[in-house]
Amino acid sequence: GENVEQHPSTLSVQEGDSAVIKCTYSDSASNYFPWYKQELGKRPQLIIDIRSNVGEKKDQRIAVTLNKTAKHFSLHITETQPEDSAVYFCAASISNFGNEKLTFGTGTRLTIIP
Amino acid sequence: NAGVTQTPKFQVLKTGQSMTLQCAQDMNHNSMYWYRQDPGMGLRLIYYSASEGTTDKGEVPNGYNVSRLNKREFSLRLESAAPSQTSVYFCASSDWESSYNEQFFGPGTRLTVL
Repeated sequence: GENVEQHPSTLSVQEGDSAVIKCTYSDSASNYFPWYKQELGKRPQLIIDIRSNVGEKKDQRIAVTLNKTAKHFSLHITETQPEDSAVYFCAASISNFGNEKLTFGTGTRLTIIP
Repeated sequence: NAGVTQTPKFQVLKTGQSMTLQCAQDMNHNSMYWYRQDPGMGLRLIYYSASEGTTDKGEVPNGYNVSRLNKREFSLRLESAAPSQTSVYFCASSDWESSYNEQFFGPGTRLTVL
């Protein structure tokens, strides 16, 4: 089955600096890569996703890049703010029109230092 | 819309006891999922249901059973709880047509097995 590795497990950055979280996946058939944000004690919420026919996607301060050849994808957060502090999870799946068996990474705890 | 709801929010069981976790969604989604979240291990898929009337095993199904009661409801049953099942359980739902397969999570159930 699919295996997703995520690094780093913890990340501290100064407010206003950028943060990068990286993930690798094992199954070359995977074609859907979402990123979820989970605040303490809350449910995971999708912040951005990318499909394998796209190399990069951006939404305001958040961007995701995908390298299919190397089988890795990354989350980039620019101009970080205190509200960005949370645990971030990457995931991968073979998109099957309603049958999304997501395999998650182990998470990155991001702390923004004021 | 309430989105995805779960009951109970907290539960303490003794080893060997049984219980059912309830999940309901009001978004008319076809697919529903059960995950468990353990520290340092991300979210792992227990069971999923691609549509009403179908269920399939995920990554960690042992010790659990599920029922897709109707399109709205998807329950998870622990027949004989074990301390290894202490975890936070999340239900999620998605739909290819309406949400492009974004998975929406419930608030979670924190289960402790003594």
